[in-house]
Amino acid sequence: AQKITQTQPGMFVQEKEAVTLDCTYDTSDPSYGLFWYKQPSSGEMIFLIYQGSYDQQNATEGRYSLNFQKARKSANLVISASQLGDSAMYFCAMREALSSGGSYIPTFGRGTSLIVHP
Amino acid sequence: GAGVSQSPSNKVTEKGKDVELRCDPISGHTALYWYRQSLGQGLEFLIYFQGNSAPDKSGLPSDRFSAERTGGSVSTLTIQRTQQEDSAVYLCASSPRAGQGDSPLHFGNGTRLTVT
Repeated sequence: AQKITQTQPGMFVQEKEAVTLDCTYDTSDPSYGLFWYKQPSSGEMIFLIYQGSYDQQNATEGRYSLNFQKARKSANLVISASQLGDSAMYFCAMREALSSGGSYIPTFGRGTSLIVHP
Repeated sequence: GAGVSQSPSNKVTEKGKDVELRCDPISGHTALYWYRQSLGQGLEFLIYFQGNSAPDKSGLPSDRFSAERTGGSVSTLTIQRTQQEDSAVYLCASSPRAGQGDSPLHFGNGTRLTVT
């Protein structure tokens, strides 16, 4: 079974509008962390935002926020006021504590391609 | 520089040849990861190093793949007898320490390997 599922292979958004990128995860570990990364066409992976399983508040970093719904096992990324430079691949990743035997090796989803139109 | 450095950035090799990919992590980062990204795919875990502990090799796809990390710093991923299906971008990442679960991975720019 997929640990991380990103069901949207491609998304389009108008500049200055908000967009939500979906991520669902599967774990029985009570302690885990969720990450979002951005990969522009240049190829580098850029860390955006982190949410811990015990965090009470949804994480926010500038225009990025994470809609964390623990009971539904979803961690959707919300980008507000989209910019042309937001066009990239976006990857959701999960790091488990116990299930990984303490090695904390992150598992990545297949990614969502976001294109921002002017 | 302050980031993760990978070399070469591009490598074209003939089927059957051996290749070595190098990763220089951020200074002080004890955890080092290798991932592979095939065209249009997510990241596939290959191998993980944490300090002086034995590496986690559970992601290596075959015994043609091996990696070492010297002095707890630079790592080399070696692919022997390359096959066309090995063509991919190989990404290296480091983090301060693996036990700190909220530490993000810091990635290098990757090595694009093409096997002809």
